[in-house]
Order: sequence, then structure tokens, then C-alpha cells
Amino acid sequence: QKEVEQNSGPLSVPEGAIASLNCTYSDRVSQSFFWYRQYSGKSPELIMSIYSNGDKEDGRFTAQLNKASQYVSLLIRDSQPSDSATYLCAVNIQGNNRLAFGKGNQVVVIP
Amino acid sequence: DVKVTQSSRYLVKRTGEKVFLECVQDMDHENMFWYRQDPGLGLRLIYFSYDVKMKEKGDIPEGYSVSREKKERFSLILESASTNQTSMYLCASSSPDRRSYEQYFGPGTRLTVT
Repeated sequence: QKEVEQNSGPLSVPEGAIASLNCTYSDRVSQSFFWYRQYSGKSPELIMSIYSNGDKEDGRFTAQLNKASQYVSLLIRDSQPSDSATYLCAVNIQGNNRLAFGKGNQVVVIP
Repeated sequence: DVKVTQSSRYLVKRTGEKVFLECVQDMDHENMFWYRQDPGLGLRLIYFSYDVKMKEKGDIPEGYSVSREKKERFSLILESASTNQTSMYLCASSSPDRRSYEQYFGPGTRLTVT
């Protein structure tokens, strides 16, 4: 099993709708979870960090963590065309400073 | 704000050349990382460093070496560039805060080896 898996395929959402992204991870001792946004041709930008079970909200973004089921998700409310990007899930592994990254999910917001 | 800078945005080199990619961070972070990113393969860790003069191999270290002489600077060296090293190279840094591990990326260097 891969360390971090994101469901494949681009996600198309109409402007104003909710985009939902999911990520599963294999390391039960992972404690830190991140979502990065990456625009085409640019580097990843950290947009959310979550460390405890439950929801964490920041503006239009909500991260949800469920350690028992080993998944973390990202909701983007009121999606805007500027949200069109690839979103990378990252999880710290083996109790050290390394992060394992998923391959990313492309989100396309249709005006 | 954390700032990570990389020496070049675009670089074109010939096969067999020795290539230096430099990364500088201004947040006094102990940890620094070099990744490459290729379509369909995602981010892959090449090398990382926990401290000055310390280095650890990542998942794909073959054909690369690194140097960290100062805390703020982490260099990636391609000893003899090959066409399969054409890629986007990304540097990142993080603090050793156990709870955090947040990594901040530089703008990237798109390297083409011809």
C-alpha cells in the first residue's frame, strides 16, 4: 500500500459549489497532515495543516481528519475559478521530519 | 513570511555537465529538502538535511549529491547531468517542531538536459 493515496482523475465543479478531496494514508503513527495547492508551473503552497481529529476551518477551506480510519479530506466551499489547481495531500511519516506526498488531485472550477 | 529562494527558475545544460542548484531559506530552519517533480510520478525526495554538514538520502539519490555548509543554504549537485534528470527541482525547508513539520517550498528550477 502506498503511504499516501489520493483518488485519481480531475475534479470539475461549477463555480460556487463545494469541491471535496480525499486522501488516505498508511502510517498509523502519523501526527501531522497537510494540504498544498499547486498552480500549473508553480511550486506547492501550504494552505492547511491539521493535527487533531475533527474539522479545521480557514476561510473557504475545511480540513477533516479521522485518524481511526486514516483519512484526511479537504473541502473548498464557494469554489472560485482561482481555486483551479492541483491539491497535494502530505503526511509526516515514521515519526521524523519527512513528508510523504500524494500524487495530487486536479480541481477545475467551471465559471 | 517564510522565504525560500532558488538560484534559477530555468536552466538548460548539456549531457555530462556538472550542475549546481542552490537553495537559500531565511527562517533559520534546521531541515532542508530537495525534491524532483515529474508528471505522473509526483514529488520524489532526493536528499534532505537535518543540520549543517548533515545529509540523508531520500528515495532517489542516485546521480545526485548535496552540500550544506551553512544553515541557510542547501545545494543539489548533479555530478554528470543526463537527459533523464530533466525535471522540475523543488527545494523546501521546515523547522524541527515535532508537532509541525510544515514544509515551505521555493519557486522551483525547471532543468532541461539536452
